[in-house]
Amino acid sequence: LAKTTQPISMDSYEGQEVNITCSHNNIATNDYITWYQQFPSQGPRFIIQGYKTKVTNEVASLFIPADRKSSTLSLPRVSLSDTAVYYCLVGPGDDKIIFGKGTRLHILP
Amino acid sequence: KAGVTQTPRYLIKTRGQQVTLSCSPISGHRSVSWYQQTPGQGLQFLFEYFSETQRNKGNFPGRFSGRQFSNSRSEMNVSTLELGDSALYLCASSYDRQGGGYTFGSGTRLTVV
Repeated sequence: LAKTTQPISMDSYEGQEVNITCSHNNIATNDYITWYQQFPSQGPRFIIQGYKTKVTNEVASLFIPADRKSSTLSLPRVSLSDTAVYYCLVGPGDDKIIFGKGTRLHILP
Repeated sequence: KAGVTQTPRYLIKTRGQQVTLSCSPISGHRSVSWYQQTPGQGLQFLFEYFSETQRNKGNFPGRFSGRQFSNSRSEMNVSTLELGDSALYLCASSYDRQGGGYTFGSGTRLTVV
């Protein structure tokens, strides 16, 4: 799997839009980009997945530029309950499934 | 549809004992992977099984082993438990790991005393 790099932590305020960027310079042609959210003592939860351009669902948007070497998860109008760790995963590939350190998002009132 | 089920949810074991954790994937999913999560090390990949065959293995000692049954249910075993094995053990399943769309269980919290 392509290695990913994300910011270690981010702070934002309730009601703001939050953008978390993930770098994946060696992404392969058949790789998708998937984002997960994890709360303490729970398993990661699938948020959104994309291959190129823009994908939107009921909770988030995913922006992927033409070169696909990075991606941005956008969370509109965050609330306190969005405080969590967010992971970017690029794959499938045939290698081990490696999660990076993730981004610890802290939403302030 | 039912999600990924991990049992038991909590477990307390003594050093030197062994433990078996169980994971039932989403119906129809053929890939099951296991992770160890600790505060200091994050999510660490243990192994992945696909159609009863181990496809990949992480950098863990031989005390950690697993298997997958014909119905895709998976078990992992840790022998000769050490204090450092205390962690949240997570299982994830996917149909064919295409695109990395994994569904995780709630995990088993193992405490070794």
